[in-house]
Amino acid sequence: KAGVTQTPRYLIKTRGQQVTLSCSPISGHRSVSWYQQTPGQGLQFLFEYFSETQRNKGNFPGRFSGRQFSNSRSEMNVSTLELGDSALYLCASSLMAVSSYNEQFFGPGTRLTVL
Amino acid sequence: QKEVEQNSGPLSVPEGAIASLNCTYSDRGSQSFFWYRQYSGKSPELIMFIYSNGDKEDGRFTAQLNKASQYVSLLIRDSQPSDSATYLCAVKNAGNMLTFGGGTRLMVKP
Repeated sequence: KAGVTQTPRYLIKTRGQQVTLSCSPISGHRSVSWYQQTPGQGLQFLFEYFSETQRNKGNFPGRFSGRQFSNSRSEMNVSTLELGDSALYLCASSLMAVSSYNEQFFGPGTRLTVL
Repeated sequence: QKEVEQNSGPLSVPEGAIASLNCTYSDRGSQSFFWYRQYSGKSPELIMFIYSNGDKEDGRFTAQLNKASQYVSLLIRDSQPSDSATYLCAVKNAGNMLTFGGGTRLMVKP
């Protein structure tokens, strides 16, 4: 079974631009969560999507948004990029949402650098 | 105070020894607990999860959970240089959101 895929793997943008990242979950998994990883803040939860609906949202500004499609693929968007948005963005796939008792599997991540 | 705490390390152990990684959490309602391994430049890889008090063993790995003490640990037996990585403890309370600790860097010396 193929794992979680994320595209692109690397991105370089300048301040003020916007960016869209894509994630395809493991086949059969319907929940997609997004996380941001930085050296200073570690791994932080952005949001979770299940059945095309945002189920949970972390403490990030409204510049960070996402969506999920009917095939469970998900995209996240960051508008008006700031230098502090430079990070590894990780997508995690799980079978279902609204359950503490299921595992999340991470994709390889997208490394975003904002200049 | 962070919700999930880990000693950042590095924790250095000789090859063949037992590595003991610890994690404490603040939310008594936490329901499930996960250990991820992350190699430098790579994404986290799930290695263990535990839901009930006690021990759970999987090969060289043992996860231990004590909900009364709000403490979860990971033991790695017969540590190998290839186990050198950052180990992330993650906790869920209700729902599917993972809250991560800062990670412990483990170094296994040949």
